[in-house]
Amino acid sequence: DAGVIQSPRHEVTEMGQEVTLRCKPISGHNSLFWYRQTMMRGLELLIYFNNNVPIDDSGMPEDRFSAKMPNASFSTLKIQPSEPRDSAVYFCATKTGGMNTEAFFGQGTRLTVV
Amino acid sequence: AQSVTQLDSHVSVSEGTPVLLRCNYSSSYSPSLFWYVQHPNKGLQLLLKYTSAATLVKGINGFEAEFKKSETSFHLTKPSAHMSDAAEYFCVVSHDTGGGNKLTFGTGTQLKVEL
Repeated sequence: DAGVIQSPRHEVTEMGQEVTLRCKPISGHNSLFWYRQTMMRGLELLIYFNNNVPIDDSGMPEDRFSAKMPNASFSTLKIQPSEPRDSAVYFCATKTGGMNTEAFFGQGTRLTVV
Repeated sequence: AQSVTQLDSHVSVSEGTPVLLRCNYSSSYSPSLFWYVQHPNKGLQLLLKYTSAATLVKGINGFEAEFKKSETSFHLTKPSAHMSDAAEYFCVVSHDTGGGNKLTFGTGTQLKVEL
């Protein structure tokens, strides 16, 4: 398996533009997490899905952020409109099973909003 | 509520000396605990995990951690640091939320290894 695949790896966009980040989980993994990492705030959980259903989106900063998981093999995180303070590295992680199993992380998308 | 506290934001050691990265957890039941490592500009990689089997857990690259329920700790150690160990380390607790498993990360410890 190629692991968790995120695209794009890098994104530079202008303030006000829509940004879509994509994640392909490892086949068979039924939980998917979106994290944001910045120097100031560290690693923050934005939202997670279980069996394609959003379970906890309390970490989503505001209405400009939305996430979907239309099927077991694809998820998106959208920011509309984007702002400079959204600049961060966004990670997708997936796992299977219960509490005892580890999550596997993608390489991340480095987003820069200018 | 489940949480983890990493007691040191930065740790600096000399190459060849022992490493100790501290983590305390808070959990209302027997937790599953993990340590992840993140090298610069990379994703996160699992080092080791505790899942209520042996309390001393061995991981990759010579790291190990001991689960101590009485102290609610899960400290990460390595007998001899190598330059390649310089990275950020995260302690993580996993817990059920009724609809799935939530992973709660500590704030991270930056390990610096000096010659």
